[in-house]
Amino acid sequence: DAGITQSPRYKITETGRQVTLMCHQTWSHSYMFWYRQDLGHGLRLIYYSAAADITDKGEVPDGYVVSRSKTENFPLTLESATRSQTSVYFCASSSRTATEAFFGQGTRLTVV
Amino acid sequence: QKEVEQDPGPLSVPEGAIVSLNCTYSNSAFQYFMWYRQYSRKGPELLMYTYSSGNKEDGRFTAQVDKSSKYISLFIRDSQPSDSATYLCAMSQAYAGGTSYGKLTFGQGTILTVHP
Repeated sequence: DAGITQSPRYKITETGRQVTLMCHQTWSHSYMFWYRQDLGHGLRLIYYSAAADITDKGEVPDGYVVSRSKTENFPLTLESATRSQTSVYFCASSSRTATEAFFGQGTRLTVV
Repeated sequence: QKEVEQDPGPLSVPEGAIVSLNCTYSNSAFQYFMWYRQYSRKGPELLMYTYSSGNKEDGRFTAQVDKSSKYISLFIRDSQPSDSATYLCAMSQAYAGGTSYGKLTFGQGTILTVHP
């Protein structure tokens, strides 16, 4: 199916464990983004990528790692999960010529 | 101070009402303005997109931008229960080289409920 998909949709993990959230888009968009959404904070940018092998930090990058070896994939890894990383995570993509972004359905992560 | 401020509401209106949602911003570099709609447990979906001051209409929705006042609005006419959602304003800067193009800065979102 065309579009942007995230997996898993729901995840419960324990404090200290490593977790990877997956994001895949079929549009060949250059730009990809990871946001987290929390009550009272709206959507905050974690990391973004302008192209394969080009990534940069956003507003709240601490505790997260990203990679982008292929244009269509942009996984987000929590190296050692903490309770403060309990959130809903959204992946988004946009083309080189447009600024509006298209979002996935989100991953609801709970760290216990 | 946040770069983008949006009243989180919640906002509750009767069906058929005109709804006004607003955001203010402080960064003069923002040139592109968007409104996203987010239903419960779903990802944000793009509703309106504009890059110039003035009004843009799309059906029952009108997006208004006033760059001199750093103020944007979304108006919903003849609101329907299906419009009940969280509305997020978002902004980005013009392309100026580098890799930061396309980053969106969001407001907190306004929760809207339209009662039948």
